[in-house]
Amino acid sequence: AQKVTQAQTEISVVEKEDVTLDCVYETRDTTYYLFWYKQPPSGELVFLIRRNSFDEQNEISGRYSWNFQKSTSSFNFTITASQVVDSAVYFCAFAGANSKLTFGKGITLSVRP
Amino acid sequence: DTEVTQTPKHLVMGMTNKKSLKCEQHMGHRAMYWYKQKAKKPPELMFVYSYEKLSINESVPSRFSPECPNSSLLNLHLHALQPEDSALYLCASSPRRGGATYNEQFFGPGTRLTVL
Repeated sequence: AQKVTQAQTEISVVEKEDVTLDCVYETRDTTYYLFWYKQPPSGELVFLIRRNSFDEQNEISGRYSWNFQKSTSSFNFTITASQVVDSAVYFCAFAGANSKLTFGKGITLSVRP
Repeated sequence: DTEVTQTPKHLVMGMTNKKSLKCEQHMGHRAMYWYKQKAKKPPELMFVYSYEKLSINESVPSRFSPECPNSSLLNLHLHALQPEDSALYLCASSPRRGGATYNEQFFGPGTRLTVL
C-alpha cells in the first residue's frame, strides 16, 4: 500500500524567509506520480505540480522549487522569499499507475509580516 | 476556462432534509470526483466518475447519492444525513489521459455543509 508522510504539521516563518516543506512516500510501484496542492483559507485546493517517477529533474517555478529524490523517496517543496499570501495548508499526494490519489496529512504554513 | 464551480458555497440542513450539491466544469475533463474534507484533515475520496460512469465508490453510505448527468456536471444528492457528515465537500475533475486516474486534479472551492 502507498503511504505519504508529511512529518511537519505546522511551520511559522517571517516574510522573506525561505521555507522547505518535506514529503516522504512509500510504494512498491515502479510507475507513480507525486503532487503538491495548496489549500488557502478559502478552502479550494490549488494544483501546484505533478511529477512522474521517471523524471527526477528538479523544477523551479518562480519562487517555488521542488526536489524529487527517488533514493530517499522524497519530494520536497521549497518556497523562496516567502510572502504572507503563501500562508496555507500544503498537501503532498501520491498516485500509483492505477490507484486513487493519496494525500499526506498536510502542513500548515503561516507567514508573518 | 480552467475553473471548477460548485454550488452552493454553504448549506445548512436538518437530518430529515433532502438537498443536492452541484459541480460543473468546462475543461473537457472526463473524470470527476467527490471528496469529503473534515477540519484539519486531508480530503477523503468518496466517488469517481469516468466517462460519466461511476467507477469508484469508496464504501460511502447510501445517504450520499452521486449523479453525473453529462460530461460537465456532477451532482451529490443528500438525504437523511447525520451531524457527523458536516464537512467541506470538494468536487474535482481531471483529464483522463492514457485511461488512468493519476492525472492532475483541479478542485472547486467546495460546499461547506452543516447538518443540524
